[in-house]
Amino acid sequence: ETGVTQTPRHLVMGMTNKKSLKCEQHLGHNAMYWYKQSAKKPLELMFVYSLEERVENNSVPSRFSPECPNSSHLFLHLHTLQPEDSALYLCASSSGTGAYGYTFGSGTRLTVV
Amino acid sequence: GENVEQHPSTLSVQEGDSAVIKCTYSDSASNYFPWYKQELGKRPQLIIDIRSNVGEKKDQRIAVTLNKTAKHFSLHITETQPEDSAVYFCAARSLDDKIIFGKGTRLHILP
Repeated sequence: ETGVTQTPRHLVMGMTNKKSLKCEQHLGHNAMYWYKQSAKKPLELMFVYSLEERVENNSVPSRFSPECPNSSHLFLHLHTLQPEDSALYLCASSSGTGAYGYTFGSGTRLTVV
Repeated sequence: GENVEQHPSTLSVQEGDSAVIKCTYSDSASNYFPWYKQELGKRPQLIIDIRSNVGEKKDQRIAVTLNKTAKHFSLHITETQPEDSAVYFCAARSLDDKIIFGKGTRLHILP
């Protein structure tokens, strides 16, 4: 483990379901990120949180809703997704000072049926 | 905003030979360039990085070079081994701390 833990590892959901992805980091980092990884766009930035405030949205559809209750936890709430949203969702964290790169979690493999 | 281009998208090299992956970036203010390796089914992991005040950095069989004037940087892997097979991502971080990734290079090491 790298210190960034994502749950669940795999998720299958219907288009009318509501589910949440969870990310937890124990590295003392103060910035957290959600990335979407698919064959079309290998590492696509979705959301950035710095010091628990969202600083980047990147025009993500509203069916994806992030939440960062504290600097160690990040959620991605999902509702009424489409099949094209099937992808690997990666969480990452960093010190936020720009000194180092990201530490990634193992990701959640999401399949929308 | 920053834009990172990466080439080639796929690269096959004979075991023992060298591999080179090249990236360009658009934002001259970018000051940090990490490289990530992602093995099949696993998370991306940082393998080497370089800051804008350095032209070259080496760590055993891998090295990265940076040309700030031309805004390009490259990853060099020497004496390639089967375990080097993976997808490699370059990235650039601009002053707002946002890291933008290239589209990745799938490296195949041939026996």
